[in-house]
Amino acid sequence: AQTVTQSQPEMSVQEAETVTLSCTYDTSESDYYLFWYKQPPSRQMILVIRQEAYKQQNATENRFSVNFQKAAKSFSLKISDSQLGDAAMYFCAYRSSYYGGATNKLIFGTGTLLAVQP
Amino acid sequence: DAGITQSPRHKVTETGTPVTLRCHQTENHRYMYWYRQDPGHGLRLIHYSYGVKDTDKGEVSDGYSVSRSKTEDFLLTLESATSSQTSVYFCAISEGLAGTGANVLTFGAGSRLTVL
Repeated sequence: AQTVTQSQPEMSVQEAETVTLSCTYDTSESDYYLFWYKQPPSRQMILVIRQEAYKQQNATENRFSVNFQKAAKSFSLKISDSQLGDAAMYFCAYRSSYYGGATNKLIFGTGTLLAVQP
Repeated sequence: DAGITQSPRHKVTETGTPVTLRCHQTENHRYMYWYRQDPGHGLRLIHYSYGVKDTDKGEVSDGYSVSRSKTEDFLLTLESATSSQTSVYFCAISEGLAGTGANVLTFGAGSRLTVL
């Protein structure tokens, strides 16, 4: 069974600085998707970024980028130029690439609570 | 916008009472999911549905049942609520990400349930 581990329960960053959130996962599959979701105090789950395992290029979305190391099964999220609105719980998640039913389900890590200091 | 509505958004109930949470979607998505969120556990899958009357268990299904009699509605029922079921419950749908061919989960706003 696949597992996702986020070893940093809490992180803090100064406004305008860069922070990296760690995520490791375990799977025997060769093809899959990885995601980072953001959950602000509003509780809404917001997709931040997505990475396909077959792509070697790291995904980037504006100030958010990932460092995907497939061999090491590592998927870290880098937030550049941190803003107060980035303060949230961040979840790393894994999904098998095979379409259909439970294989569309996400397996989540336990989350990292990010505080942004002004 | 996936148009997912969860109701109720907040509920306080007593141990032993039945509770039903409703998830309503407006865009005819086939796959729907119920997750619960607890500190230290992230989100865990309770049940999911892959079509009308087609449902299956997730990793934490004990004490929960689901029904899907219409494409747009996915109901989660706690037959006899217990304090361990105090949690935030999220409904999600699987939808295609425009221009990519990939599917992502889009979540509702969550329902906070407190069982006293």
